[in-house]
Amino acid sequence: AQRVTQPEKLLSVFKGAPVELKCNYSYSGSPELFWYVQYSRQRLQLLLRHISRESIKGFTADLNKGETSFHLKKPFAQEEDSAMYYCALSPSNTGKLIFGQGTTLQVKP
Amino acid sequence: SAVISQKPSRDICQRGTSLTIQCQVDSQVTMMFWYRQQPGQSLTLIATANQGSEATYESGFVIDKFPISRPNLTFSTLTVSNMSPEDSSIYLCSVAESGNTIYFGEGSWLTVV
Repeated sequence: AQRVTQPEKLLSVFKGAPVELKCNYSYSGSPELFWYVQYSRQRLQLLLRHISRESIKGFTADLNKGETSFHLKKPFAQEEDSAMYYCALSPSNTGKLIFGQGTTLQVKP
Repeated sequence: SAVISQKPSRDICQRGTSLTIQCQVDSQVTMMFWYRQQPGQSLTLIATANQGSEATYESGFVIDKFPISRPNLTFSTLTVSNMSPEDSSIYLCSVAESGNTIYFGEGSWLTVV
């Protein structure tokens, strides 16, 4: 079955602390993995995709096919990083997305 | 990147009525989709809006409840029919450009009373 799991509903850290938002997936083929972010009262925005291997706003994510994981990391959290983060999987260039349940990141001053 | 506009952005509807949500894209796109986000939940794909043919629905969603039109490559509508309070959700339009770059509209916040 195709599934994306984000085990943490809420992650609360202090400003300047490292952040890791966990994402595991289940998919039999070669998926494309994404991280989307939704700031308060704003639309869903693409943060990262695994094929681009970019670092956006200091965030990085590495696809680990052995562990079927795509964890999102940032070495030093900022208050403006507080948002809802969704990990998503797109089966084989279909344009569709299967979303995880989302993790709320709360960065405290 | 594609710019997606959705109307209405927000509405309060009476149960038993229907509401049509519009999605307009500023460029021609091959793939358009509709998602639902129920309160406190993640996003779930409703259907793929196919240009010139019937939409393809995901498991648990049916055409009678969520009829979809896609008359051209820049526009689609989703109707939520015979609404009940359980239909209170955010409905989002999504498009995929070449290379599987996927964008979302702002969403239409629907409350059924």
